[in-house]
Amino acid sequence: EDQVTQSPEALRLQEGESSSLNCSYTVSGLRGLFWYRQDPGKGPEFLFTLYSAGEEKEKERLKATLTKKESFLHITAPKPEDSATYLCAVEGGGADGLTFGKGTHLIIQP
Amino acid sequence: KAGVTQTPRYLIKTRGQQVTLSCSPISGHRSVSWYQQTPGQGLQFLFEYFSETQRNKGNFPGRFSGRQFSNSRSEMNVSTLELGDSALYLCASSPGQAAGDTQYFGPGTRLTVL
Repeated sequence: EDQVTQSPEALRLQEGESSSLNCSYTVSGLRGLFWYRQDPGKGPEFLFTLYSAGEEKEKERLKATLTKKESFLHITAPKPEDSATYLCAVEGGGADGLTFGKGTHLIIQP
Repeated sequence: KAGVTQTPRYLIKTRGQQVTLSCSPISGHRSVSWYQQTPGQGLQFLFEYFSETQRNKGNFPGRFSGRQFSNSRSEMNVSTLELGDSALYLCASSPGQAAGDTQYFGPGTRLTVL
């Protein structure tokens, strides 16, 4: 059974204070690891897809990296509008759809 | 390109009733997946449809069912509603042709069961 654990559960940062969110996973046959952000009352918004260890992707203040056991979402000089819940999900070789972690609730204070 | 749309956005039902939710995928996407999101369990996979056939299924009781039409639009049905079915139901679409395709989510339908 695929498993995803995200840490920390919640994180409060000052504007401009860089940090990293962790996503640890166990999966049989990784087909893809996905990062989404979700604002209250809305559906998850796609950020990145990573397929193999060593892969990195960047978008504005966000950078996602992948190893064989975990992924990190690095946030550089965050702004208040980066406040959201960040979700990590994996697709494995089984027929289980995406397996999600519980998310990291990020608050950026001005 | 228009995103994934879901209707209705909000529903209030009572125990024992049934409900049907609708999802229109991104144009050209043939795979539609459904997820249930609750504060306690997070996002959980319900099922996936591709070319009108259920391709994958999560660990939910038979009260939860779905179907997909020839235009890739999908519906999800929950019969004999229980209080615990109150949740945000999310639909996601992807091209569906390759493993690891990115899934794009709709805004969800908020179901409240009284």
